[in-house]
Amino acid sequence: DVKVTQSSRYLVKRTGEKVFLECVQDMDHENMFWYRQDPGLGLRLIYFSYDVKMKEKGDIPEGYSVSREKKERFSLILESASTNQTSMYLCASRTARYLNTEAFFGQGTRLTVV
Amino acid sequence: SQQGEEDPQALSIQEGENATMNCSYKTSINNLQWYRQNSGRGLVHLILIRSNEREKHSGRLRVTLDTSKKSSSLLITASRAADTASYFCATDAIAGNMLTFGGGTRLMVKP
Repeated sequence: DVKVTQSSRYLVKRTGEKVFLECVQDMDHENMFWYRQDPGLGLRLIYFSYDVKMKEKGDIPEGYSVSREKKERFSLILESASTNQTSMYLCASRTARYLNTEAFFGQGTRLTVV
Repeated sequence: SQQGEEDPQALSIQEGENATMNCSYKTSINNLQWYRQNSGRGLVHLILIRSNEREKHSGRLRVTLDTSKKSSSLLITASRAADTASYFCATDAIAGNMLTFGGGTRLMVKP
């Protein structure tokens, strides 16, 4: 079974801190995604990576950056955390070797910025 | 901007009834997917329907796709209390490799 693992289930950080959310997948998937989920807004794509060191902005990249130095790991970075970044963050991955494939999700990280 | 929009936002039914959720989207797609999320957890893939398919079944799930109307529906038959969850549609656009999700439908099945 594909496993996507996010480093923390719950995280509390202070305003202004630099925050790293880590995601690791074990199926050699090319594509990895970071979403944030807020009540009433569904899942919104922050960043997408289609290969090592390659990334594309999603719908809401402001205030975030990403890093993909190894194929299995995709990190989301909040350069200076703010209270409006309190949210549930979801990482996902999927293969790009053929079309019409499903995504596999991690368990989510609930981040609170105080 | 959201690609998929689900309707209704919330649905409450009795066990044994059928639940229908709808999804509308904006751009041309390779496929449309439905996912389920139990409270506070990650999403789990349920079913994928390709753009050249009109209907697909998987167990108690039935998905339809109308590309002319840019809409899809998910039907859960004979619902169970364990089906209580949020359901999301996701579109796989022809341009690019991104999966874009809608706002979701919260389904509650009362025993």
